Amino acid sequence: GAGVSQSPRYKVAKRGQDVALRCDPISGHVSLFWYQQALGQGPEFLTYFQNEAQLDKSGLPSDRFFAERPEGSVSTLKIQRTQQEDSAVYLCASSSSTGGNTGELFFGEGSRLTVL
Amino acid sequence: GQQVMQIPQYQHVQEGEDFTTYCNSSTTLSNIQWYKQRPGGHPVFLIQLVKSGEVKKQKRLTFQFGEAKKNSSLHITATQTTDVGTYFCGSGTNAGKSTFGDGTTLTVKP
Repeated sequence: GAGVSQSPRYKVAKRGQDVALRCDPISGHVSLFWYQQALGQGPEFLTYFQNEAQLDKSGLPSDRFFAERPEGSVSTLKIQRTQQEDSAVYLCASSSSTGGNTGELFFGEGSRLTVL
Repeated sequence: GQQVMQIPQYQHVQEGEDFTTYCNSSTTLSNIQWYKQRPGGHPVFLIQLVKSGEVKKQKRLTFQFGEAKKNSSLHITATQTTDVGTYFCGSGTNAGKSTFGDGTTLTVKP
């Protein structure tokens, strides 16, 4: 497809389980971002990749959160030992811009995580 | 880091009325972006402003970037039911990170 693809769209996890969320960005987009969006709030920055390099992970809430983009294309956000406060929509966005001017972000549909 | 605040949080208008949302920052912004998120959907890019005092129009939408590059506004003339959604402002840094406000949710009564 031409857009950013995320899977799964919905994920229900029991507290303590590990989850993995996948993002397939627009082909050729160098920059990839992960955001967390709680209900009624704006997207909160988690981490940023330029190609395979993770340039900024300052938004990751704890060491239970880990993201990778090993070949500079598909990215995975992993959450270990999920907690109820991790329940949110996780948005992936990609951009053809690199630094300087962020440029237009193309968002995926998001992965809605519910932790019971 | 750069943080942006948006007001109002909610706005209810009658169809045909105008609507404005404001985005404010305590620091100078390198740019400002506006996104629209329909209920149940994902943010969709509307526009980016970069220059001090810049004004851009898209049909019934007018976007402004303040002279000091610390604030921005989005004005919709004669709202329609298709305008419903949450409007977010965001700002990117040289490192690529973009931060967003909490948005203004617009509802339009037919």
